[in-house]
Amino acid sequence: GAVVSQHPSRVICKSGTSVKIECRSLDFQATTMFWYRQFPKKSLMLMATSNEGSKATYEQGVEKDKFLINHASLTLSTLTVTSAHPEDSSFYICSATGLAGEYEQYFGPGTRLTVT
Amino acid sequence: GQNIDQPTEMTATEGAIVQINCTYQTSGFNGLFWYQQHAGEAPTFLSYNVLDGLEEKGRFSSFLSRSKGYSYLLLKELQMKDSASYLCAVRDRDNSNYQLIWGAGTKLIIKP
Repeated sequence: GAVVSQHPSRVICKSGTSVKIECRSLDFQATTMFWYRQFPKKSLMLMATSNEGSKATYEQGVEKDKFLINHASLTLSTLTVTSAHPEDSSFYICSATGLAGEYEQYFGPGTRLTVT
Repeated sequence: GQNIDQPTEMTATEGAIVQINCTYQTSGFNGLFWYQQHAGEAPTFLSYNVLDGLEEKGRFSSFLSRSKGYSYLLLKELQMKDSASYLCAVRDRDNSNYQLIWGAGTKLIIKP
């Protein structure tokens, strides 16, 4: 099956710094990638949807200047949390779909971000 | 509005059968998904239903009734490793990116 990787798996950073999370589709071309965050014991919350070569579409309430998303190639999307604060601590998960209309989203293993 | 409901938590016994229900109200419909998520891990795909009826895959089966806005995931011969959260998600046709609308998940606890 399709494999999606995320790096890093865990990161601890100081308040005010920026953190970049990478999401890669290893064996397929991802036309669309999704970024989610998940708080403990809560469901997935979609943050943004990105299509290769175009600007990401952010969900209501998600600050695009704080959560920068770049989808420069068909195999890589990055999420940068800028000027991180403790409330940004969360589990961030990316997923990807291949051909347009393909029904399954393939998830990365997630990144645990802790802001101190 | 968009809404997906599923029970918060369920408990079952090892070797038994459990049914996790999901009801949805969405503006469009292009399929319903079930994912399994172990604590601290990303979701893994279990099943996909777009037509009414039952889809069986090993110990897991998923059922869909579009007219009722209802689905269930049936787990047979429960094993301890089945302890996880089970997420119901609907693909909304009205969105060109085919985003998934997620339920809050059902935490399944398996007891010996």
